[in-house]
Amino acid sequence: DQQVKQNSPSLSVQEGRISILNCDYTNSMFDYFLWYKKYPAEGPTFLISISSIKDKNEDGRFTVFLNKSAKHLSLHIVPSQPGDSAVYFCAASGLYNQGGKLIFGQGTELSVKP
Amino acid sequence: NAGVTQTPKFQVLKTGQSMTLQCAQDMNHNSMYWYRQDPGMGLRLIYYSASEGTTDKGEVPNGYNVSRLNKREFSLRLESAAPSQTSVYFCASRGAWEQYFGPGTRLTVT
Repeated sequence: DQQVKQNSPSLSVQEGRISILNCDYTNSMFDYFLWYKKYPAEGPTFLISISSIKDKNEDGRFTVFLNKSAKHLSLHIVPSQPGDSAVYFCAASGLYNQGGKLIFGQGTELSVKP
Repeated sequence: NAGVTQTPKFQVLKTGQSMTLQCAQDMNHNSMYWYRQDPGMGLRLIYYSASEGTTDKGEVPNGYNVSRLNKREFSLRLESAAPSQTSVYFCASRGAWEQYFGPGTRLTVT
């Protein structure tokens, strides 16, 4: 039972355009969501997060949107750059979740073409 | 400040062999985690340690054991390696909400 799903395994975008990565979750007890970026042969690095009390969080070119009623979050990258090419994972956690465990989606591989 | 370090980076084992993956963090974090990453599966939690002296099973604990040696170090042991344990293993420690990951260990079991 996949509680966090990223239904698009890959996404290709032209440099300078917007990249939109999507994530769905099933557990309504999740109240904190994170996005990680992973380059080949490296560990995931934290990118941006959002609490369930917000519907939007912005950090430079990266914005995360949360739609709690739809149990959906998205990551927008504007403008996209070739260096953004990586695998992006969304993750979810909750206050009920002892130990601060994160549940990860399967990942979306973003390719930004020059 | 090295963050989270893991050793070794690469390892090849034969079926039935044992090994220990080492992890250390220098951020004074209480919680530490072991994940495995397989194609199309995302990151799956093997074991975690919410604080020094405690360990708990995650989603895929079978075939693994862990030791929280002290606040800094959290090791993962494969007692009798199987081909199904071929994977990339990541250790992480937790700050406020986010987790910080090490560079990973690529393990192949033949």
